[in-house]
Amino acid sequence: QVQLVESGGGVVQPGRSLRLSCAASGFTFSTSGMHWVRQAPGKGLEWVAIIYYDGSNKEYADSVKGRFTISRDNSKNTLYLQMNSLRAEDTAVYYCAREAAAVWYFDLWGRGTLVTVSS
Amino acid sequence: DIVMTQSPDSLAVSLGERATINCKSSQSVLYSSNNKNYLAWYQQKPGQPPKLLIYWASTRESGVPDRFSGSGSGTDFTLTISSLQAEDVAVYYCQQCYSTPPTFGQGTRLEIK
Repeated sequence: QVQLVESGGGVVQPGRSLRLSCAASGFTFSTSGMHWVRQAPGKGLEWVAIIYYDGSNKEYADSVKGRFTISRDNSKNTLYLQMNSLRAEDTAVYYCAREAAAVWYFDLWGRGTLVTVSS
Repeated sequence: DIVMTQSPDSLAVSLGERATINCKSSQSVLYSSNNKNYLAWYQQKPGQPPKLLIYWASTRESGVPDRFSGSGSGTDFTLTISSLQAEDVAVYYCQQCYSTPPTFGQGTRLEIK
């Protein structure tokens, strides 16, 4: 079935790194722009990053620019988020999401993976 | 960045009654070349990811019940649930996809009165 499944979350100390993965299935991953969106505990939604369908372009929220890197492997139908220099304020559930028809609203979401940054 | 402001922050409505949630953007999200409003609505139930309800401000996503409707243009938008059902208890978010970064409203918590 059509789905996105995130993995890689966990507890990490401030300043350390973590890599999230998002496995896609049931649709043509290689033609879809993909995003990461996060949600701090009890808070609202915050867009994090986008990677175009072919990996040719990437954009980031100011809050993560220079620390996070989005990438994809279309041969493996997988999206990644490399998170470096993690801070307490990066604690959140991280969702991968598929954009709809090259417009940046999101018609398919994963269930999310929780990242907790704490000493 | 475009700031999205929802009102109210929380809302309690009786079963079968109408629920109305408002969303205001700090600048217009109407793209003049195609006359489309780049505005979406999502529903998020506890412990679940958001679910797309409405896009282009008023187009229902496939499978979304017709009691959900979206309206508005430019900077002012409304999500209406015509007859509230128990399963509609959730937090609702608007989102603009007119410019980068895409931004969300703070959310409106909908409960049963």
